[in-house]
Amino acid sequence: DTAVSQTPKYLVTQMGNDKSIKCEQNLGHDTMYWYKQDSKKFLKIMFSYNNKELIINETVPNRFSPKSPDKAHLNLHINSLELGDSAVYFCASSAMTGGEQYFGPGTRLTVT
Amino acid sequence: GENVEQHPSTLSVQEGDSAVIKCTYSDSASNYFPWYKQELGKGPQLIIDIRSNVGEKKDQRIAVTLNKTAKHFSLHITETQPEDSAVYFCAASSPGYSTLTFGKGTMLLVSP
Repeated sequence: DTAVSQTPKYLVTQMGNDKSIKCEQNLGHDTMYWYKQDSKKFLKIMFSYNNKELIINETVPNRFSPKSPDKAHLNLHINSLELGDSAVYFCASSAMTGGEQYFGPGTRLTVT
Repeated sequence: GENVEQHPSTLSVQEGDSAVIKCTYSDSASNYFPWYKQELGKGPQLIIDIRSNVGEKKDQRIAVTLNKTAKHFSLHITETQPEDSAVYFCAASSPGYSTLTFGKGTMLLVSP
């Protein structure tokens, strides 16, 4: 019974392609997040949604577009992929904004 | 916004020794301080947290201390074991910001 799941786990693609990463949580949480973790392990918040509404949109290129079809899902679509987008992307959820967060297993994106 | 500094960036100890990781934060309004453990290839997992109304919290071999006056908090791991080897992140949550602000992580290596 995975609490926060992401698909795919690995994603290898070429520059210029468009790709999506999916996230689902079965915890009944209201808030979901996307983080980017670079090679130095730094966790950088990208987006946060509360009840399907965007509440945090950090300085992220507009090639990244999150979509929340319902409270349990938060997908990340990336257009025109660049080499610098290579990283591990984590989805997380929490019962309330700023509270205890539960992370998914991550999606390792490699852009060649 | 909140800024969290974490030290050291790497920490090597012998099995059975104690390990201490320290974090400082900038926003005096921050009131929730979790610690996450990230094992290789996995997402961060919450291991212990503390709220601003207490000064210390213990859970078996791990403990967290909070000094609100000095704006710093620490993770203490006693009787370290090789399976404690991982990257540890501290974080802080301030009421004016809708997510956690993470430190840059500490890679802990416990040698048998």
